[in-house]
Amino acid sequence: QVQLVQSGAEVKKPGASVKVSCKASGYSFTGYYIYWVRQAPGQGPQWMGRIHPNSGDTNYAQKFQGRVIMTRDTSISTAYMELSGLKSDDTAVYYCARDYGELPTVCNCFDPWGQGTLVTVSS
Amino acid sequence: SYELSQPPSVSVSPGQTASITCSGDKLGDKYASWYQQRPGQSPVLVIYQDNKRPSGIPERFSGSNSGNTATLTISGTQAMDEADYYCQTWDSSIYVVFGGGTKLTVL
Repeated sequence: QVQLVQSGAEVKKPGASVKVSCKASGYSFTGYYIYWVRQAPGQGPQWMGRIHPNSGDTNYAQKFQGRVIMTRDTSISTAYMELSGLKSDDTAVYYCARDYGELPTVCNCFDPWGQGTLVTVSS
Repeated sequence: SYELSQPPSVSVSPGQTASITCSGDKLGDKYASWYQQRPGQSPVLVIYQDNKRPSGIPERFSGSNSGNTATLTISGTQAMDEADYYCQTWDSSIYVVFGGGTKLTVL
């Protein structure tokens, strides 16, 4: 079945960086956009950006421009999200999610989602 | 910046119809999607492109979108439908925006 499996929880100090991985299985990795979304405790989801699986082209939410880098390694069907300059309010569950539409169709809707990676930023 | 507004909570009796709204400027000109999130779980897509159901989503879930409001309707609501629901939209200038979420309580 289609599955996205993310790396484990992280605890980071303010100012540090974190890199979260998202390994895809059960489908052709190069056929679908991968998105990154975070959800702070008790809050709604917040879109961070997306990466095209073939070209590696990225689109980032303005809020994260300059602090986030999304990459992918097609040889191992894995996407990565690195966030730098961490602050306490970056504490959240970070999700990867696949677009529901197969390229060249793009749905800009997300299914499935990974299990989430809790990133805690604390001194 | 573009915002989507949802009521914080909606209550419904088992077997009745629940309606959850999502409001945004000219939202009807864009596509709306809806996600269900049970406590401690990842979101699940239940409606996309306003009114389409992904495979595996029960027929009791339906959607509409017109004017400034998108609506998720759950007919014959069951106890298992109790969850948080988020609307989401996209366009080429704003990219992706989520609503703040609605907690559905099945009393």
